[in-house]
Amino acid sequence: GESVGLHLPTLSVQEGDNSIINCAYSNSASDYFIWYKQESGKGPQFIIDIRSNMDKRQGQRVTVLLNKTVKHLSLQIAATQPGDSAVYFCADWGTSGGGADGLTFGKGTHLIIQP
Amino acid sequence: EAQVTQNPRYLITVTGKKLTVTCSQNMNHEYMSWYRQDPGLGLRQIYYSMNVEVTDKGDVPEGYKVSRKEKRNFPLILESPSPNQTSLYFCASSFGEGTEAFFGQGTRLTVV
Repeated sequence: GESVGLHLPTLSVQEGDNSIINCAYSNSASDYFIWYKQESGKGPQFIIDIRSNMDKRQGQRVTVLLNKTVKHLSLQIAATQPGDSAVYFCADWGTSGGGADGLTFGKGTHLIIQP
Repeated sequence: EAQVTQNPRYLITVTGKKLTVTCSQNMNHEYMSWYRQDPGLGLRQIYYSMNVEVTDKGDVPEGYKVSRKEKRNFPLILESPSPNQTSLYFCASSFGEGTEAFFGQGTRLTVV
């Protein structure tokens, strides 16, 4: 069935290094993707989004890459800081398995920053 | 401040006792939705609403009801809660399909 998923449940990186979090999607009709960050005890917070007519989008210290050929999405965080520790979710609009309209989330990657 | 507000943040209740979790947004968003978050399962959509008086089922609607009488409010109703509805619930809103969704702080519900 249609799904949005992440490759790894946990990613551990050294402070100051770059982090790359990956996401795969299966619906070739998906046209809008969002990365969310969720800190412990809080709701998901928007990080960056990208539409299917783009391959790359940059924000402050974050870059999202979209490869439509292999249906792959990645989030790159430059110079990872302790405050980046969180669970990161990719989400896709309108690919709910039940056919509903809304965001379908991957299961999340827990980013751990090593000092 | 633009925000989505959920109440209560924490709730412990007993099986079968009706409860309502409120959600309110101050951004004049047309689209609102409810998600539940469970370990290993991520966030799953319960119900959504494209506009006032328009609601539709998400992926896991069983055991839940919603209403959208006003644009800013989208309460989640559990008529007869059961232990399998113990979860972390999030309300979200956005301008519409294909736009950024803003999330509330969450409601942790325990049904005993």
